[in-house]
Amino acid sequence: QVTLRESGPALVKPTQTLTLTCTFSGFSLSTSGMCVSWIRQPPGKALEWLARIDWDDDKYYSTSLKTRLTISKDTSKNQVVLTMTNMDPVDTATYYCARTSVGTTVVTPLDYWGQGTLVTVSS
Amino acid sequence: DIQMTQSPSAMSASVGDRVTITCRASQGISNYLAWFQQKPGKVPKRLIYAASSLQSGVPSRFSGSGSGTEFTLTISSLQPEDFATYYCLQHNSYPHTFGQGTKVEIK
Repeated sequence: QVTLRESGPALVKPTQTLTLTCTFSGFSLSTSGMCVSWIRQPPGKALEWLARIDWDDDKYYSTSLKTRLTISKDTSKNQVVLTMTNMDPVDTATYYCARTSVGTTVVTPLDYWGQGTLVTVSS
Repeated sequence: DIQMTQSPSAMSASVGDRVTITCRASQGISNYLAWFQQKPGKVPKRLIYAASSLQSGVPSRFSGSGSGTEFTLTISSLQPEDFATYYCLQHNSYPHTFGQGTKVEIK
């Protein structure tokens, strides 16, 4: 079955760089049509889409955060890494990774999600 | 960026009520729209994709409709386990964007 799990620090200081890893199983990012996205949710607030990386290494970013985000994949390890620079307290949120499947006739976005990891930004 | 506006932002309803949530896109997105349900402290769960396709395992009281710029999520007969926050997502163009959410509370 498909599973995803986020890992990374629970606490980062302002101005530091956050590195999150999504480790997944049940699919491969070398398979055509497979994609992994990152989404975050500040406490009590709405979901926010951050970035996506596709099987062909295409990458897409949030407009407001694109100067701070980098997404990459390690196909051999079944991992996707998201880095966010210059962290600020407003970046405190639960960060999720999720799979998207792009088919020939239909796209099924965010069908499987990780459990999320809470990142707190504080000095 | 495409803006997704949900209405209402919150609502109170009773068990058995028919509930309709609307999501409007700031520009046309064809049918590249999904709906998610999130309960407190839980991971979002996809209910609907391609605007009207029901995710496997989701009860048939949930349905989605619309195309272009206006979409609806309907719960035909609200059940106790349906009290949650609902989000729409457009994935027609990048960046993908969520609506601000609709919280469905018990009346």
